[in-house]
Amino acid sequence: DAGVIQSPRHEVTEMGQEVTLRCKPISGHDYLFWYRQTMMRGLELLIYFNNNVPIDDSGMPEDRFSAKMPNASFSTLKIQPSEPRDSAVYFCASSHRDRASGSGSYNSPLHFGNGTRLTVT
Amino acid sequence: DQQVKQNSPSLSVQEGRISILNCDYTNSMFDYFLWYKKYPAEGPTFLISISSIKDKNEDGRFTVFLNKSAKHLSLHIVPSQPGDSAVYFCAASIQGAQKLVFGQGTRLTINP
Repeated sequence: DAGVIQSPRHEVTEMGQEVTLRCKPISGHDYLFWYRQTMMRGLELLIYFNNNVPIDDSGMPEDRFSAKMPNASFSTLKIQPSEPRDSAVYFCASSHRDRASGSGSYNSPLHFGNGTRLTVT
Repeated sequence: DQQVKQNSPSLSVQEGRISILNCDYTNSMFDYFLWYKKYPAEGPTFLISISSIKDKNEDGRFTVFLNKSAKHLSLHIVPSQPGDSAVYFCAASIQGAQKLVFGQGTRLTINP
């Protein structure tokens, strides 16, 4: 199990440039999440997908942010144009739904990648 | 609106003693809670969880306590070890939903 793979690990760009962050989830996981970590706000959910379909994008800060999941093994988070306040660590995570015995279902823990540290100057 | 709050940004504990990390939540719909641990330059990793049907869950040196009436949970680590030095995030969700809401994290430092 290679885990969740994110690229690049570090990205430094100038204000106004387009930035694309990439994520490969764990094989077999049907949920994919994009989180952003900042000192002020901690870990905040930007968007998540189930079976490649966006389910909740209410955390996406502005129209400058967009995310896609063209297939089960790949997702991108794009910022266009980037601004200095977008500087943060962006994490991708994946999970799958567990089924407990009896009624109901339980959530499997999220598995995070090592993140992309984005710096916009 | 912070639905999950960790009011202590940092905590320092002597090796071998107990570490207690606290977390409060405001949304009464939350019924599943998790703790994650994060080392520098790595992603958070799952540590332990608890469902609202329980008030305690133990896994080795780690125990999570849930007080639903106070909307409060805590993570106890005993005995604390130097390798426990990390940032700890509390998270909450509604069971059946995969979306997790995280607190801001507490940096735990274990002193030798």
